[in-house]
Amino acid sequence: TQLLEQSPQFLSIQEGENLTVYCNSSSVFSSLQWYRQEPGEGPVLLVTVVTGGEVKKLKRLTFQFGDARKDSSLHITAAQPGDTGLYLCAGVGSNTGKLIFGQGTTLQVKP
Amino acid sequence: DVKVTQSSRYLVKRTGEKVFLECVQDMDHENMFWYRQDPGLGLRLIYFSYDVKMKEKGDIPEGYSVSREKKERFSLILESASTNQTSMYLCASRMTGGPTGYNEQFFGPGTRLTVL
Repeated sequence: TQLLEQSPQFLSIQEGENLTVYCNSSSVFSSLQWYRQEPGEGPVLLVTVVTGGEVKKLKRLTFQFGDARKDSSLHITAAQPGDTGLYLCAGVGSNTGKLIFGQGTTLQVKP
Repeated sequence: DVKVTQSSRYLVKRTGEKVFLECVQDMDHENMFWYRQDPGLGLRLIYFSYDVKMKEKGDIPEGYSVSREKKERFSLILESASTNQTSMYLCASRMTGGPTGYNEQFFGPGTRLTVL
């Protein structure tokens, strides 16, 4: 069974600080997705990373896929209150195509 | 604008009741999914469907069944609701074709079910 461990589970920071969320597994994934979920809504895709070592940037968000395609990180620079939400990583199962989700990171950015 | 809608945002049922959760997508997607979301556990897959009348068990299918009679509609059924099925239920759809890993899942807003 493929599992994804996401850390930390909770993060409360001040506006302007930087943060990193980690997503780790002992399994290889064909690709990995990051979603963001706001209260009362379903998750929305932020990015998909496919190649080992790949780095993608989305404004102040930087996503990296590990060289071995077993882990990923999300780094937010100069966090803003609008970044508040639940961040979920999801690995695409190698043989199934199903998404395997991490536990999620609840981020609160205080003004 | 792509859309996945779920029949109810909030639902309260009693133990033993039969519960129907409906999901409709307007994107002509082949794949549809039902997840439950619990704090600290992320999203766990209950059932999914690759096409009309097709269904596959996910990771936690016990106590649930599904129905997909039309392409746009995927229903989750709790035959006899129990208190441990109190949760947030999320429906998603995805276009098939192309490399599997590239295709985004589009989620509905969720149904918060409470079983008393």
